[in-house]
Amino acid sequence: QQQVKQSPQSLIVQKGGISIINCAYENTAFDYFPWYQQFPGKGPALLIAIRPDVSEKKEGRFTISFNKSAKQFSLHIMDSQPGDSATYFCAATMNGGTSYGKLTFGQGTILTVHP
Amino acid sequence: DTEVTQTPKHLVMGMTNKKSLKCEQHMGHRAMYWYKQKAKKPPELMFVYSYEKLSINESVPSRFSPECPNSSLLNLHLHALQPEDSALYLCASSQNWPGQGGQTQYFGPGTRLLVL
Repeated sequence: QQQVKQSPQSLIVQKGGISIINCAYENTAFDYFPWYQQFPGKGPALLIAIRPDVSEKKEGRFTISFNKSAKQFSLHIMDSQPGDSATYFCAATMNGGTSYGKLTFGQGTILTVHP
Repeated sequence: DTEVTQTPKHLVMGMTNKKSLKCEQHMGHRAMYWYKQKAKKPPELMFVYSYEKLSINESVPSRFSPECPNSSLLNLHLHALQPEDSALYLCASSQNWPGQGGQTQYFGPGTRLLVL
C-alpha cells in the first residue's frame, strides 16, 4: 500500500515533443506529490509538486495532472529539449503520523530527448 | 536559497576504515535526512532527524551511525563497511511542519562512496 508505481521505465522523445510519465499510488493518506529530476552524478532536484485538492499544476513547460479518484498523477513536459534528458522520479508523502517526512518514490523514468 | 551542501563529493575507503560524511543547510529547516541511492534506483531512506532528534531509522546496519550536532549539520559516520555499501549517499532537508511546502525535501549533490 506504500508503493508508488511509475511508468514507463524509459522514454525516448524527439526535440519539441511531449514527454509523459505516469504514476499510480494506493495509499489514500498520501497528500503531497512531488516530482524530482536527477542528472547523472547529481542529487535529485525538486521539479514541481501538487496536492490532491487541485487537478492540475503548471510551471513553465512542466505540468502535473492529478486524478484523485483514479489515484494517478502524471508529469507532462511540453516542447521537450535535449537538456531535459535525465531520470525523473515521482514521489508521495503524507502530512502526519509516523510516516510523516517519508518520501515514497516511484522506480524512475529515464528520459532521452533526441535533438 | 534552497541549497544543501555535502562533503566530500567522492570517497574511497577500505573495509576497515572509519570515515564521515557531512551535510549542511542554512535554510532554517528542522528535518534532515540521509538516503542511499544505487545506480538506476530511487533513493532509499536511511535516517530522519527532526528537531535534532532521530525520529526514523529504517533498520539500517549499525556500521552506519548518524549524528545531528545542531539544526544545520548532519553527519553520517561509517565504519567497517562492505563493498555492497558502495553507492551515492544523499542528504536532504525540509521545514518539517505540516502545511504548504512543509514536506518539500531539498536534496544535496551527494557523496559518491566506493568501498574496496
